[in-house]
Amino acid sequence: DAGVIQSPRHEVTEMGQEVTLRCKPISGHNSLFWYRQTMMRGLELLIYFNNNVPIDDSGMPEDRFSAKMPNASFSTLKIQPSEPRDSAVYFCASTSGHLPNEQFFGPGTRLTVL
Amino acid sequence: GENVEQHPSTLSVQEGDSAVIKCTYSDSASNYFPWYKQELGKRPQLIIDIRSNVGEKKDQRIAVTLNKTAKHFSLHITETQPEDSAVYFCAAAYNTNAGKSTFGDGTTLTVKP
Repeated sequence: DAGVIQSPRHEVTEMGQEVTLRCKPISGHNSLFWYRQTMMRGLELLIYFNNNVPIDDSGMPEDRFSAKMPNASFSTLKIQPSEPRDSAVYFCASTSGHLPNEQFFGPGTRLTVL
Repeated sequence: GENVEQHPSTLSVQEGDSAVIKCTYSDSASNYFPWYKQELGKRPQLIIDIRSNVGEKKDQRIAVTLNKTAKHFSLHITETQPEDSAVYFCAAAYNTNAGKSTFGDGTTLTVKP
């Protein structure tokens, strides 16, 4: 298995532009998590899905952020419009649903908003 | 919801010494406690975990202890090596198939050669 796949690995964009981050979880995993990591705020859970259904989006910072999981093998996190304070590393992680539920992280997307 | 506090935020030790990182959690229903290691520029990866029916677990130079009554758990690294330098995250979870974990803020461990 290739593990959790994220694209792009690096994204540089200008303020106001739309940004779409993509994630492919490990095949057979039933939960998917989006995190944001910064030096100031550490590792923040933004939203997670179970069986493609959003369970908790209370970590989404504002309406500019949205996430979808149209099927079991694909999820997107969209920021529109982007702002410089959105600059961070965004990780996607998935779990199998079988105990003990280790989270497998993707390599992350480093987003820079100028 | 669950709240996890982790201490210290930074820790510096000499190679060969031991390192201890401590975490507390708030939700007595949590029953799964993983530890993740994140090397610079890399993703977090699980290094050891413990379930609530176990008080201690060891894997070579790392061990984790759990005190359910006090709601705290600790990571112990013995005979530290420079490659142990990383950020370590503790987490707490109620072990359902949704798999959500609440993470601590992380500890930056530096092992000086």
